[in-house]
Amino acid sequence: EVQLVETGGGLVQPGGSLRLSCSTSGFTFISYAMSWVRQAPGQGLEWVSTISGRSASTYYTDSVKGRFTISRDNSRNTLYLQMNSLRVEDTAVYYCAKPPGGWLRYIDSWGQGTLVTVSS
Amino acid sequence: QSALTQPASVSGSPGQSVTISCTGATSDVGNFNYVSWYQQHPGKVPKLMIYDVSHRPSGVSSRFSGSKSGNTASLTISGLRAEDEGDYYCSSYTDTGSRTGTTVFGTGTKVTVL
Repeated sequence: EVQLVETGGGLVQPGGSLRLSCSTSGFTFISYAMSWVRQAPGQGLEWVSTISGRSASTYYTDSVKGRFTISRDNSRNTLYLQMNSLRVEDTAVYYCAKPPGGWLRYIDSWGQGTLVTVSS
Repeated sequence: QSALTQPASVSGSPGQSVTISCTGATSDVGNFNYVSWYQQHPGKVPKLMIYDVSHRPSGVSSRFSGSKSGNTASLTISGLRAEDEGDYYCSSYTDTGSRTGTTVFGTGTKVTVL
């Protein structure tokens, strides 16, 4: 059974940093691209970032480019999202998301999400 | 990276059918048969309902069906039931020049069962 467990969310001041982690199990981690998707309170889903299986390629939505860094440790089956220079508008539940294969065709598994609140 | 356009809300009585549209562009919906749909109940994780325009994952009711024409995809819910009430999001693969690709979500549609 595929399991995705996010940790690392919390309350941070504007301009601060957080690192989210997503611990995975139940599938061959290195064979899958992985993504982060966020959802602001009462709002819709927003794709944030994707990383290929061997970390050769990374992609970001425009609003987080230069501030967020996605990475993965295939030896630990863990996905990360380093978030710097956080803004109030980054407040959201952040989901770890897995596609069915090595590219982002659709999302077939979601973590339970971790809440990031950016506020003074 | 503009969001795909969905109606804010649709509603229907039990047993009726409702259709949710999802309009994109030639860079996403119009050029790829990789449209997916997700159902989300309040406080819950999104659930995959349709992938690759019209395919249902195992366990999803046949009352849910998907289609696409040009830059617009659609999700139809037939025989509407109370448990179908919730938010629905479409999503499309977008080409970034690398096969890994990215995805864009729709603005979301609230389905209400009257």
